[in-house]
Order: sequence, then structure tokens, then C-alpha cells
Amino acid sequence: DAGITQSPRYKITETGRQVTLMCHQTWSHSYMFWYRQDLGHGLRLIYYSAAADITDKGEVPDGYVVSRSKTENFPLTLESATRSQTSVYFCASSELSGASNQPQHFGDGTRLSIL
Amino acid sequence: AQKITQTQPGMFVQEKEAVTLDCTYDTSDPSYGLFWYKQPSSGEMIFLIYQGSYDQQNATEGRYSLNFQKARKSANLVISASQLGDSAMYFCAMREPLRNTDKLIFGTGTRLQVFP
Repeated sequence: DAGITQSPRYKITETGRQVTLMCHQTWSHSYMFWYRQDLGHGLRLIYYSAAADITDKGEVPDGYVVSRSKTENFPLTLESATRSQTSVYFCASSELSGASNQPQHFGDGTRLSIL
Repeated sequence: AQKITQTQPGMFVQEKEAVTLDCTYDTSDPSYGLFWYKQPSSGEMIFLIYQGSYDQQNATEGRYSLNFQKARKSANLVISASQLGDSAMYFCAMREPLRNTDKLIFGTGTRLQVFP
């Protein structure tokens, strides 16, 4: 099935550990995004990528690293996890669309708990 | 800076009634897009409806319609004939205009509960 998949769905880790969240899409969409969802904040953009090897910071990038060596994959790494990074993380993708009506398509999310 | 405001943290509606979820936005750019997403308790984000800033008519998708008032910078979602399955979080979002980056700015959401 075509779509966007995130793994793992749930992750528990300890402060100071490195953790990588995976995101894979099968549509060959140009744009990919990472958001975090926290109560009272809605979804906030962490990083985004316009194409392979092109990434840029969003609203809340500190403590996160991304890469995009292939169009279909966009992993998010927490290099040294902190409790404040406990959140639900969503990956999304979209066509190169400018101001068109194409929505972003979201994965099912990864619930990350940092103890 | 672009901003989305959803002032209703929670809303209740009886089954089969209509409900309006409020969304106001702030942007100085003439070209922008507005989206509504639904997030049920299972957690996934489901795209509902889109309104472009130059669209002459209000968007409609089945039981969902968008009450777009450009001068007031509001884009309220109207759900007609509510169903129990409409109980969810609803997010309004704006595509960052004229930047060609496709980024979305989200509001904080409204939790809708439909009761029998």
C-alpha cells in the first residue's frame, strides 16, 4: 500500500540516549516534514525538507538532527534525548505545490517518552 | 508573522445538529491556503477541507463546509448533521504563503464531543 509510514509507533528511552525516528513515504513527494504535538501547542514544525539533500529548520529545531539522502526517507534523530522532548512526533509529506490545494499527508505518529 | 488562532478548546454538540469550529488567521500575504484536519482518538491526522485565498466560493466536502470570511480573516469549519464519529480534535492550519516551502502553521485545536 502506498503511503507514509513511521516507526516505531511507541518508544521509551532514557535521558541522554540517542534515538532515531524513521519516516518513509512511497509517493515520491518532494516535501517532507517533522512535527511534534504537545498539549496546548498544536503541531509545531521541527524540520522540513524540500528535496533529497535539502533540509531546513522549522519552529523548534533545537536538539534534533535530520537527513534526507533519499527522497522517500526522512529520519529524525534526537542526539541526546531530554525529558522536554517527550511528545508525539508526526512525519508528513506533500507534493511540490506552492500555493496549491494539495494537503500534507501525515503518518500515524510516534509516541516518544523520555524517562 | 503568520498565526492561526482557535479560541475554543472544547465544544459539545448533540448528534444530528450542526456545529461551527472557529479559526482566525493572520497574514500579510495575499496568497495563502487554509486547511482543516481531524484527529480522532486513534491519533492519525485526517485532511478534511481546503480553502484558497482567491477562491470565490466557500469550500464544501460532504458534511464539511468552510465559512470563509476574508475581510475578517476567519475560516470556520461547519459540520452539518453531526455524528458520534465526529468526536475528535480539529486543527486549522495555514500554508505559509508565497514562500514555496509548503510549511503549515497549526492552531492549538478544538476538541469536539458529539453526544447522543
